[in-house]
Amino acid sequence: GAGVSQSPSNKVTEKGKDVELRCDPISGHTALYWYRQRLGQGLEFLIYFQGNSAPDKSGLPSDRFSAERTGESVSTLTIQRTQQEDSAVYLCASGPGQKETQYFGPGTRLLVL
Amino acid sequence: GQNIDQPTEMTATEGAIVQINCTYQTSGFNGLFWYQQHAGEAPTFLSYNVLDGLEEKGRFSSFLSRSKGYSYLLLKELQMKDSASYLCALANQAGTALIFGKGTTLSVSS
Repeated sequence: GAGVSQSPSNKVTEKGKDVELRCDPISGHTALYWYRQRLGQGLEFLIYFQGNSAPDKSGLPSDRFSAERTGESVSTLTIQRTQQEDSAVYLCASGPGQKETQYFGPGTRLLVL
Repeated sequence: GQNIDQPTEMTATEGAIVQINCTYQTSGFNGLFWYQQHAGEAPTFLSYNVLDGLEEKGRFSSFLSRSKGYSYLLLKELQMKDSASYLCALANQAGTALIFGKGTTLSVSS
């Protein structure tokens, strides 16, 4: 079946602009995660959604970052007033439930000029 | 907090066996994952250890010792396509996040 999809694949933006990244999880997966991977660094957890429960936002680096998810479907990660240090690959993953294996999407490569 | 250490780079020859180690310091975790990531691609799941011991999956095996804070990924009969980064990750106790090491870049040569 279809895997996790993300859009856009690549995004170039100017410092100070807002960007919105989209994730379509695997159908039926209740858990959804966002991670960030900066060049030469490990993946950093950002946020976790599980069904209709309150999300775990403990990894969001600042209040410029926010994410939403409607039910068990699409999620969007929004970065407001982008900074150059936001340049990274943003990866989305989904899983069949909490504590289950996570399956990653191809990522969105964000470059902030 | 959690601290995960892996070697930055390793090299090996086609057909050989390589062991990639991962050590960690943590107050608690739910399980340990290994992912493979080819350059410019998404990480793909390789293995998951919850209990101590060896999990075997074809050419790949993963080992966990909670008492020693140690895991390894063993790759046998190396192929050129195994050249990639290998990521060690701990699942936090709540199961809401994976905490990743920086990864080990493996280069397989003929």
